[in-house]
Amino acid sequence: GDSVTQMEGPVTLSEEAFLTINCTYTATGYPSLFWYVQYPGEGLQLLLKATKADDKGSNKGFEATYRKETTSFHLEKGSVQVSDSAVYFCALSDDYQGAQKLVFGQGTRLTINP
Amino acid sequence: NAGVTQTPKFQVLKTGQSMTLQCAQDMNHEYMSWYRQDPGMGLRLIHYSVGAGITDQGEVPNGYNVSRSTTEDFPLRLLSAAPSQTSVYFCATKQDSFSYEQYFGPGTRLTVT
Repeated sequence: GDSVTQMEGPVTLSEEAFLTINCTYTATGYPSLFWYVQYPGEGLQLLLKATKADDKGSNKGFEATYRKETTSFHLEKGSVQVSDSAVYFCALSDDYQGAQKLVFGQGTRLTINP
Repeated sequence: NAGVTQTPKFQVLKTGQSMTLQCAQDMNHEYMSWYRQDPGMGLRLIHYSVGAGITDQGEVPNGYNVSRSTTEDFPLRLLSAAPSQTSVYFCATKQDSFSYEQYFGPGTRLTVT
């Protein structure tokens, strides 16, 4: 079945550092790709999405480009802040029994130190 | 507009006890689902519902029951809790089966001893 593999965590960076969290996927079709973020004590929130190859999703300074040739959707941010500390999940959409469901990676915990 | 609410926030059960995790939404979404989150495993789909009166199994349904009598509510029942069900449970909704964006509740942390 379809699957998502994320960079192992945890990741610790200093404020204003450049962030990359790697995500690769395997899928039989042409899924849409997502990054979700989970702040401490909260549920997941959609951060950004891309629905077809070469699309770039962006939000709150984060970006990710759907690369079909490398089956990747890496998350990047040029200058991280303490408030970006959270767990980040890469996910793809999968047609499951006639409905779209999400397949999640294992999550990457990010800590930003001031 | 409360979005997706879940109760309780925390629960401790003994092996063999039963309980119901509540999920309610006020967005008039057709699709509702339950996930469990375990360390290093991401989120896994337990059960889902594409509308009132319709439910189906996800990837890990064993040990859980659901029903959907109204659009707003989607309770998850553990009939006989086991330590393997210790996890964080999230309810999520979306407009319909084919929408992409899901809205998650704050979660219920369940410990089974």
